[in-house]
Amino acid sequence: ELKVEQNPLFLSMQEGKNYTIYCNYSTTSDRLYWYRQDPGKSLESLFVLLSNGAVKQEGRLMASLDTKARLSTLHITAAVHDLSATYFCAVDGDKLVFGAGTILRVKS
Amino acid sequence: EAGVVQSPRYKIIEKKQPVAFWCNPISGHNTLYWYLQNLGQGPELLIRYENEEAVDDSQLPKDRFSAERLKGVDSTLKIQPAELGDSAVYLCASSPHRDPGELFFGEGSRLTVL
Repeated sequence: ELKVEQNPLFLSMQEGKNYTIYCNYSTTSDRLYWYRQDPGKSLESLFVLLSNGAVKQEGRLMASLDTKARLSTLHITAAVHDLSATYFCAVDGDKLVFGAGTILRVKS
Repeated sequence: EAGVVQSPRYKIIEKKQPVAFWCNPISGHNTLYWYLQNLGQGPELLIRYENEEAVDDSQLPKDRFSAERLKGVDSTLKIQPAELGDSAVYLCASSPHRDPGELFFGEGSRLTVL
């Protein structure tokens, strides 16, 4: 059974600093997705990673996928308040399995 | 392009009462999902439809939950009778792909069972 683990589960960030969220998964897959969820809102797709070594960037966020290590990272560059949200990774097995989410809070 | 539409957004009921949630997916998306999201957790799949066929309902508690997608477009998820532990957000998502792929989510229906 596919297990997806994110860490940390909570990250308090200072504006302007860099941080990384990790997503580990237990069985072979080469398709991984990152979603963002604002409080009381639904999930919004951020990145689609479809092969080993895939790297996607959007603004201050960059996601990468290492299928051999079964690891994806979401890197935040120079955090700003607008990035405060919960971030989920989801891995494609025979169905999409989500991690528990990482709550990001950016402090001024 | 309109997104995934769900209703109602909020529902408060007493335990043992029935409740139903409705979802209209993005036009042209043949694959529809119902997910359950508990507070502080990631979404968990309840059921997946390919057109009108339920292709994965292994996680759906069939003693009290049912779902239908009669014409392969919109879908209804029903709980009867509701229990206290059913309080959660019920998310509907759709995808243009047969494989899981990138999902497009609705805003969810938040259920509170008293």
